[in-house]
Amino acid sequence: EAGVAQSPRYKIIEKRQSVAFWCNPISGHATLYWYQQILGQGPKLLIQFQNNGVVDDSQLPKDRFSAERLKGVDSTLKIQPAKLEDSAVYLCASSRETGEGYTFGSGTRLTVV
Amino acid sequence: DQQVKQNSPSLSVQEGRISILNCDYTNSMFDYFLWYKKYPAEGPTFLISISSIKDKNEDGRFTVFLNKSAKHLSLHIVPSQPGDSAVYFCAASEGGGSQGNLIFGKGTKLSVKP
Repeated sequence: EAGVAQSPRYKIIEKRQSVAFWCNPISGHATLYWYQQILGQGPKLLIQFQNNGVVDDSQLPKDRFSAERLKGVDSTLKIQPAKLEDSAVYLCASSRETGEGYTFGSGTRLTVV
Repeated sequence: DQQVKQNSPSLSVQEGRISILNCDYTNSMFDYFLWYKKYPAEGPTFLISISSIKDKNEDGRFTVFLNKSAKHLSLHIVPSQPGDSAVYFCAASEGGGSQGNLIFGKGTKLSVKP
């Protein structure tokens, strides 16, 4: 079973620029999550999709972050404009309707300078 | 306000000995707890979980203990191996499983010395 694919692996941008991350979950996984992990912290949920609908986006800074999951498969997370404090690893994860735990991708490390 | 706390940022253990990683939580609505292991430059990988209806779950060298009255759980690794060296995250959720928002602790870096 292929894992959760994310790209790019690394991205460096200047503040106020925009950036987008891509995630391809495990085939058949209905639920997709985007987490933000700041250095020294645990991952924090940004948004959760069930198929192509948003289940929870209560912690997504909607003034600058947006995410979509077209056709209930791939997902993109966008930041516009980026701030220095957005420097973090952005993790995508997916899970089945039932089962234990998520499967995480390797993440995208974003550095905002 | 941290709902899931891992108060030890790091732990060093000799190979073959027991590693005990601790986690405390404050939200009494949490009913499902998980441990994830993370190597550098990789995403966290699921290790073991426990439902609040149990007080112990075992999988090979890994055992998780849950003390609901103390709002405390621990992960025991016996015997510890150098390949276990990683950051371990404790996570918790409401609603009985992986469908919910996982709240993570800050992690404990385990170093197992040969």
